Amino acid sequence: EPEVTQTPSHQVTQMGQEVILRCVPISNHLYFYWYRQILGQKVEFLVSFYNNEISEKSEIFDDQFSVERPDGSNFTLKIRSTKLEDSAMYFCASSIAGTAYEQYFGPGTRLTVT
Amino acid sequence: QKEVEQNSGPLSVPEGAIASLNCTYSDRGSQSFFWYRQYSGKSPELIMFIYSNGDKEDGRFTAQLNKASQYVSLLIRDSQPSDSATYLCAVPISSGSARQLTFGSGTQLTVLP
Repeated sequence: EPEVTQTPSHQVTQMGQEVILRCVPISNHLYFYWYRQILGQKVEFLVSFYNNEISEKSEIFDDQFSVERPDGSNFTLKIRSTKLEDSAMYFCASSIAGTAYEQYFGPGTRLTVT
Repeated sequence: QKEVEQNSGPLSVPEGAIASLNCTYSDRGSQSFFWYRQYSGKSPELIMFIYSNGDKEDGRFTAQLNKASQYVSLLIRDSQPSDSATYLCAVPISSGSARQLTFGSGTQLTVLP
């Protein structure tokens, strides 16, 4: 069964460093998403991406964040200058169509900022 | 602010019993509703979705939707210890061509052997 994959599974970085989180969505899906979950808190939407551009973004997704689909398979989330409060699980998700809504999540990347 | 509320639990049921999980949402315009299961330290796993008023059954899972009351529930029949997890209710906030999901805080379910 096709699934969303994410790398790395765990990333430790120092405050102020740049990190790139990588995702490979399900191959026939067209919509891609990033969510995050701070330990013990709700899953929060960050950004959605369709047709090589951002469709929606939340207030969390400020200028420190960016997304990119550098090739036909990868979807990346970059945090330019990490803060302690960026420590969280970051989940990539994809869906076959926006109106179908069913979003399938990858296993996540645990980001620890020290 | 669009909200999704769940009874946070924790909820404990004996093996074989029916577990009932509830969710209310604030956006009257919401058209679709999702239940995800999240094991500790893992990612959300989509287990049910429902678009129409009434019941939708899939195996041991039944989703129930009442749009007039802005209420959606998940019933798990013949609960198993492997069902022990946090169950997340999610509702799309519509705009543009994609849909961002707003998640509830989850209900932690423990099925006791």
